[in-house]
Amino acid sequence: ILNVEQSPQSLHVQEGDSTNFTCSFPSSNFYALHWYRWETAKSPEALFVMTLNGDEKKKGRISATLNTKEGYSYLYIKGSQPEDSATYLCALADRAAGNKLTFGGGTRVLVKP
Amino acid sequence: GAGVSQSPRYKVAKRGQDVALRCDPISGHVSLFWYQQALGQGPEFLTYFQNEAQLDKSGLPSDRFFAERPEGSVSTLKIQRTQQEDSAVYLCASSPHGQGSSYEQYFGPGTRLTVT
Repeated sequence: ILNVEQSPQSLHVQEGDSTNFTCSFPSSNFYALHWYRWETAKSPEALFVMTLNGDEKKKGRISATLNTKEGYSYLYIKGSQPEDSATYLCALADRAAGNKLTFGGGTRVLVKP
Repeated sequence: GAGVSQSPRYKVAKRGQDVALRCDPISGHVSLFWYQQALGQGPEFLTYFQNEAQLDKSGLPSDRFFAERPEGSVSTLKIQRTQQEDSAVYLCASSPHGQGSSYEQYFGPGTRLTVT
């Protein structure tokens, strides 16, 4: 059973501040790590799929890094805006099992105006 | 273009009732996944289809849960004799590729099931 953990569980951020949070996972047999953003009453939206150690990906003000040797990924939000309020989920893809995803518990981000 | 759709969006069932949850994936997507998200937790894998073949059903919590995708497009997740512990959000996701691909999954908005 894969154990994917996210911390913190929740985060309050002042508008304009930058923030980051962590996803940790078993480093053995790594295949791919996914990040999703899930706003209330909407569909989870894919942010990044990361496969290579040292990978850094960016989408607007959001970026992510990946360290497969030590088993962690960071997600960064620069200059947080109220529309960034959402739950951010990371998930490990299991190639041996049809790429089913094992999710962490999520980090709930609330950006205060 | 159309994304993944799910219906109903909300379902209230009395304990012991049967329910059927529908997923319409993106047209042409080969892979289809069902996940269950209990309150305060991350989504958990239930089952996986590649076209019409159910290749993995290891996450189905009991034999009351049954899923099908008979023509390789629309999928239905059926829960028989619902119990309170079945209350959760049920998410469907599709992906254009089959096994061996690390492609992102496209999620529907989920069906929130409440069993009273």
